[in-house]
Parts: sequence; structure tokens; C-alpha cells
Amino acid sequence: AQSVTQLDSQVPVFEEAPVELRCNYSSSVSVYLFWYVQYPNQGLQLLLKYLSGSTLVKGINGFEAEFNKSQTSFHLRKPSVHISDTAEYFCAVSNNFGNEKLTFGTGTRLTIIP
Amino acid sequence: DTGVSQDPRHKITKRGQNVTFRCDPISEHNRLYWYRQTLGQGPEFLTYFQNEAQLEKSRLLSDRFSAERPKGSFSTLEIQRTEQGDSAMYLCASSLSEGTHRELFFGEGSRLTVL
Repeated sequence: AQSVTQLDSQVPVFEEAPVELRCNYSSSVSVYLFWYVQYPNQGLQLLLKYLSGSTLVKGINGFEAEFNKSQTSFHLRKPSVHISDTAEYFCAVSNNFGNEKLTFGTGTRLTIIP
Repeated sequence: DTGVSQDPRHKITKRGQNVTFRCDPISEHNRLYWYRQTLGQGPEFLTYFQNEAQLEKSRLLSDRFSAERPKGSFSTLEIQRTEQGDSAMYLCASSLSEGTHRELFFGEGSRLTVL
């Protein structure tokens, strides 16, 4: 079984400041890792994914994440946030065989303060 | 093709009524997933299809829930005798089983409110 923990349910950040959203996972097998963003009343959009290779992954909208196998973490970062980054962010994990079924964390609501 | 589409976007119903949601995946995608998202939670897996075959069902999918994908294209999710606890956003996603992209493309969801 797999699980994802997003310890921070809400993160307020001033505009143009850096942000880090934390994600830890648990799995008995090798995994793929994902970050999705959800804007109000919309579905989920993929920000970035780690499948293999370089542990630093760059995604859309200036976001990046680093896979740390020893710490079982996949934290999401952005050096300078914008008002438009206000949204809910979900970390997710899938196993690296079979289907693409995802196990999601409970989400982190990012609020940008002008 | 503009992505995964879901219908209706919003549904308000009275307890005990039946509701049906439809999902049209991206046309070349052979896998289709249903998730449920309640307020303040992440999406939870319900079931998935490869072509017309339903390959996995979550224990969350009680016998009041049934999903179909009769021709391997669109899918329907029916909830019979709705309960207030069924109020949630129902998300559909699709993917390709070939290749290494391993990405789910989500629709905008169908929000169910049971009164």
C-alpha cells in the first residue's frame, strides 16, 4: 500500500516570496511522483512528475520539485510566487508498473498575500 | 480534441434519487479512471477501465455505485439511492497505457449535492 502526507494544509506567502510545499510518501515498491494543481471549481492539472533520472524536476509555471529517496520526500518549490499561484496543490504517488492509479495527499492550499 | 469532458458539471438531488454522470475521455486514451473528492480532501480512487473492461474497483465503491464503459469510449457512473454522504466532486481522468508518460488527464469534475 502507498500513502502520501502533506503536513501543511494551508501555506500563506507574500507575493514574490519563495515557497516550499512539503510532501512525504510511503511505499514498499518503487514509485512515480506527481504534483497537481487545482484552481477553484476546476479539475486537476499536472504541474510536474518524477519517473526516473534526474532527481530535480522542472514543471510548468516556474515550479520545480526534488525527489529524495532516502527521506522519501518530493517537495515542491517556486522561487517567486505570483497572485495567480493561489490554488490547492496535491502531491500524488503511483507504483511504477501496471496502471496509472494515483494515491493523493490531502492537499495544501497556497494563498498569496499581495 | 479539447480534453476530458464531464457532464453534468453540477447536480443537486434529493436523498434516495438516482444520478448518473458521464465522462468523455481524450479520444485516443484507452484507460479511464473515476475518482471522488470530498471537501478538504484529496481525490480518492474509485475504479478504472482499460478499454471496456473494468479492471479494478475500490472498496469505496459500494453496491449502490456502478460504472460502465460499454464501447471503450465514454463512461458513466451511476449512484443509486443517493445518500447525503455521496455529496462530493466526481472526477474522471484518462490516460494511454502505452509509453512512459504515465500522466492522468483530468476533467473538470461533476459536483454532486444530495439534500
